[in-house]
Amino acid sequence: EDKVVQSPLSLVVHEGDTVTLNCSYEVTNFRSLLWYKQEKKAPTFLFMLTSSGIEKKSGRLSSILDKKELFSILNITATQTGDSAVYLCGPSDTGNQFYFGTGTSLTVIP
Amino acid sequence: NAGVTQTPKFQVLKTGQSMTLQCAQDMNHEYMSWYRQDPGMGLRLIHYSVGAGITDQGEVPNGYNVSRSTTEDFPLRLLSAAPSQTSVYFCASRRDNYFGQETQYFGPGTRLLVL
Repeated sequence: EDKVVQSPLSLVVHEGDTVTLNCSYEVTNFRSLLWYKQEKKAPTFLFMLTSSGIEKKSGRLSSILDKKELFSILNITATQTGDSAVYLCGPSDTGNQFYFGTGTSLTVIP
Repeated sequence: NAGVTQTPKFQVLKTGQSMTLQCAQDMNHEYMSWYRQDPGMGLRLIHYSVGAGITDQGEVPNGYNVSRSTTEDFPLRLLSAAPSQTSVYFCASRRDNYFGQETQYFGPGTRLLVL
């Protein structure tokens, strides 16, 4: 069964729009959830979340985790063309296993 | 720091050939791992290591071997390549700080084509 489901699969928005990317997961012995941005090459780290309800922010990006409902969201405000990428979420367990969703492909149109 | 480096960038193999994908990091990270990324499948963990001399299997270990003789290096070996192993391979290392915060760094990837 799928351990990580990301939605939507793809998204096309105009510059300046706000987007919300979703990640639901099912991992036994949950340890953390990481968000990455992938632009045709290697994924680059965005956030690590371990506690419910605590928002992590970095510029126009923010993320929050709900460990009870087993999901996380990534928000991007005032989108720019440079935000176009595939966004991956990856929960890990205490046994050092990492799991990834197939990602959300975001395209920002000027 | 060079971060995580991988060689080669691209490789073509014939079915049955063997090869080693190289991965090195200069950040003194204990945890290293190998992933493969296939269209529609996301990243899948192949093998990982929590320190020199310690390795373990991930989600899709069959057909791959690893070893970790030093903290810096974590090579991935394909013993007998199969077309199903055509993929992009990423090596990653992870930093954990004293507060439990972790950051995972990926190498640039190796694109492997098995004919």
